[in-house]
Amino acid sequence: DARVTQTPRHKVTEMGQEVTMRCQPILGHNTVFWYRQTMMQGLELLAYFRNRAPLDDSGMPKDRFSAEMPDATLATLKIQPSEPRDSAVYFCASGLAKDSGSYNEQFFGPGTRLTVL
Amino acid sequence: DAKTTQPNSMESNEEEPVHLPCNHSTISGTDYIHWYRQLPSQGPEYVIHGLTSNVNNRMASLAIAEDRKSSTLILHRATLRDAAVYYCILRSWRGTGNQFYFGTGTSLTVIP
Repeated sequence: DARVTQTPRHKVTEMGQEVTMRCQPILGHNTVFWYRQTMMQGLELLAYFRNRAPLDDSGMPKDRFSAEMPDATLATLKIQPSEPRDSAVYFCASGLAKDSGSYNEQFFGPGTRLTVL
Repeated sequence: DAKTTQPNSMESNEEEPVHLPCNHSTISGTDYIHWYRQLPSQGPEYVIHGLTSNVNNRMASLAIAEDRKSSTLILHRATLRDAAVYYCILRSWRGTGNQFYFGTGTSLTVIP
């Protein structure tokens, strides 16, 4: 049963510390998404990759957030320095896009619950 | 991006059909209508999607209005495991760009 995996599942850190969240997309999927979920804002799209290239990161605060795909099996989301307002659940999702760029279904991971004190 | 409007919450009795409405009056001709649901403490999961015609799958049915300005997700027999937040989303047929807006969704409570 292929699934998206995320590590760590929970992270508590202090303000100013660097946080790295990792995601392993489903093997063979060529699109990866990072979302953030909070009670106030709901689910927000932060960044979107296709074939490891960033296509859209307009939802991500550029000064402190960065997203990369070092290889096809790993996506990372980094926050440096972290702030209390970054506390949220961060979800990674993957999907299989056609050559046209369209895709049907996103498969979500279990999320990383981040608490910044 | 086109937005959707859903009721904040709905209730249904177990084993009865549930009709979850969604308004998307600013939908464009190339926008697909997607439904996802999020069970407690889990990531969202895909339910169904469509463009113009009604769609059926093993989880649900999607009824799309003729003018495409609204749609309804139909759960034919609600079970307790269907209690979740249901999101109606418009996905643009673009290769790039911010394509998904989840909104606040409808929290479905299933009463035993």
